[in-house]
Amino acid sequence: QQQVKQSPQSLIVQKGGISIINCAYENTAFDYFPWYQQFPGKGPALLIAIRPDVSEKKEGRFTISFNKSAKQFSLHIMDSQPGDSATYFCAAQDSGSRLTFGEGTQLTVNP
Amino acid sequence: DTAVSQTPKYLVTQMGNDKSIKCEQNLGHDTMYWYKQDSKKFLKIMFSYNNKELIINETVPNRFSPKSPDKAHLNLHINSLELGDSAVYFCASSQGGGQGRRAFFGQGTRLTVV
Repeated sequence: QQQVKQSPQSLIVQKGGISIINCAYENTAFDYFPWYQQFPGKGPALLIAIRPDVSEKKEGRFTISFNKSAKQFSLHIMDSQPGDSATYFCAAQDSGSRLTFGEGTQLTVNP
Repeated sequence: DTAVSQTPKYLVTQMGNDKSIKCEQNLGHDTMYWYKQDSKKFLKIMFSYNNKELIINETVPNRFSPKSPDKAHLNLHINSLELGDSAVYFCASSQGGGQGRRAFFGQGTRLTVV
């Protein structure tokens, strides 16, 4: 069973546009929700993360919105740039440190 | 100054062979992991060690055996390789649970079984 569901599978936006990726989880034991960015040939790297006691976290152009009651969270990339083109993974972590990943979103930002 | 390093980066081998992938982290973390990324880029945890002790062992064929000689190293040995083992294997590390559980990933080892 897929405990973290991510959509869309792929996303194409124009430079300067807003990229939005959505995730939903089922396990209420999850207490840490990171987003990872992966470039081809590289390992995933932490982009931004949120805990369920806050509804929003912003770091530069990247914002996580979190809805605890709906068990959903999303990543917004403002002013998307071609350099943002990568695969993005949402994840959820329980206190045992196991990361459960979403299926990934291939983002392409056209110049 | 690579934080999490894996060797080799590429591994091509025939079915039935035994191979090992090595991982080292210089971050002083106490927890290390192996993840498998399949052809659809789906990432799934395989194993986790905390201070050399196995704490997560997902449903993985027992042909896969992790070994942690010390808390800075976590190796993965695979016996009797099968075509379906072809994937990218990532090592990662983090500093336990609680605050700052950021996981740092290595560059990955692309295993191709022919």
